[in-house]
Amino acid sequence: AQSVTQLDSHVSVSEGTPVLLRCNYSSSYSPSLFWYVQHPNKGLQLLLKYTSAATLVKGINGFEAEFKKSETSFHLTKPSAHMSDAAEYFCVVIIPGGYQKVTFGTGTKLQVIP
Amino acid sequence: SQTIHQWPATLVQPVGSPLSLECTVEGTSNPNLYWYRQAAGRGLQLLFYSVGIGQISSEVPQNLSASRPQDRQFILSSKKLLLSDSGFYLCAWKLAGSTDTQYFGPGTRLTVL
Repeated sequence: AQSVTQLDSHVSVSEGTPVLLRCNYSSSYSPSLFWYVQHPNKGLQLLLKYTSAATLVKGINGFEAEFKKSETSFHLTKPSAHMSDAAEYFCVVIIPGGYQKVTFGTGTKLQVIP
Repeated sequence: SQTIHQWPATLVQPVGSPLSLECTVEGTSNPNLYWYRQAAGRGLQLLFYSVGIGQISSEVPQNLSASRPQDRQFILSSKKLLLSDSGFYLCAWKLAGSTDTQYFGPGTRLTVL
């Protein structure tokens, strides 16, 4: 069975400071990993994805994530937070198979303080 | 390019009334289709998924149902809404047989009063 754990339900940072949103996963197979962002009352937008190529993945809006197999982690980072980054972020894992089961983390709400 | 549509965008319904939410995908064939629900303050809950026309799998038992009458059409229904059905409903699609990206629609905000 696979699972995704987002370690923080809420993260608060000051504008201009680094962002770290943590995600750990468990999977019996080589997973594909994704980060999505959701602004209030909006659908989910893909930030970045890891699909067994480079372990450091760069996404939109200055975000990046590093796949660390030894730590089973896929943490999302950004060097400098912007007010527009305030949103909810979801870590997602998909494993291969007949259905390609998709598992979402419970989400992390990012607050950016001016 | 592919696009995904959901309607309506918002809906307010009384308890006990029926429900029909529609999702359509353009620009791809034989996608995997998904219905999710976000209740207030909670993560995404997978409700249904479909790998083909008429093929529906349910992840959780409840008073909702789903149908896929056409390849790129996915409908979420209920005969009688409950207060607990309130939430934000998201449709998503993904290429079949792939562990690649899920693409989400804009969502439907359902309020049951």
